[in-house]
Amino acid sequence: DTEVTQTPKHLVMGMTNKKSLKCEQHMGHRAMYWYKQKAKKPPELMFVYSYEKLSINESVPSRFSPECPNSSLLNLHLHALQPEDSALYLCASSQEGGLAPETQYFGPGTRLLVL
Amino acid sequence: GQNIDQPTEMTATEGAIVQINCTYQTSGFNGLFWYQQHAGEAPTFLSYNVLDGLEEKGRFSSFLSRSKGYSYLLLKELQMKDSASYLCAVASGGSYIPTFGRGTSLIVHP
Repeated sequence: DTEVTQTPKHLVMGMTNKKSLKCEQHMGHRAMYWYKQKAKKPPELMFVYSYEKLSINESVPSRFSPECPNSSLLNLHLHALQPEDSALYLCASSQEGGLAPETQYFGPGTRLLVL
Repeated sequence: GQNIDQPTEMTATEGAIVQINCTYQTSGFNGLFWYQQHAGEAPTFLSYNVLDGLEEKGRFSSFLSRSKGYSYLLLKELQMKDSASYLCAVASGGSYIPTFGRGTSLIVHP
């Protein structure tokens, strides 16, 4: 199983809503990532969890709150988002989390629209 | 930081060969990745180069020259399904987590 799953596929939310994005992998990977990708732009790293601990936060606004309940699950809690936060949010996983050359496996993404 | 540059868009004909170039400037180079991303889908890994030279994998090959800060992805026998964005990504510093370039949108015509 080399699959990373993400739910929901699409999400529309208002600026006062609270929602969560979910990501799951069963490859035994110890590192999980959140990326944000705007149209026709490259994925931008937001957070990295390694061995269930937050190892990288790329100065992401606090309205985005990541959570790693266990090594297979990664959540992104959203609160008071702005329209400019509308984007494709990609989850990825890898074996070790950037300590050695390794492949990242990406999920299909959640397409988020903030109204 | 890193400066990764690749063409925005390329077109090619089915059955032909296309070369997508990527140049980069970075310190503490830890390798260069190529990913393929179809519209609305997740990026998928194509190749990883850390040493100079050509790596061949079926119809796809990737080349790296560290001294020139240059890589290319070569796609042979192009198929319509190869129409996608091709992302060059560089790992540097103390990490192997890549930073992505803007991507090259490849359009394959019949």
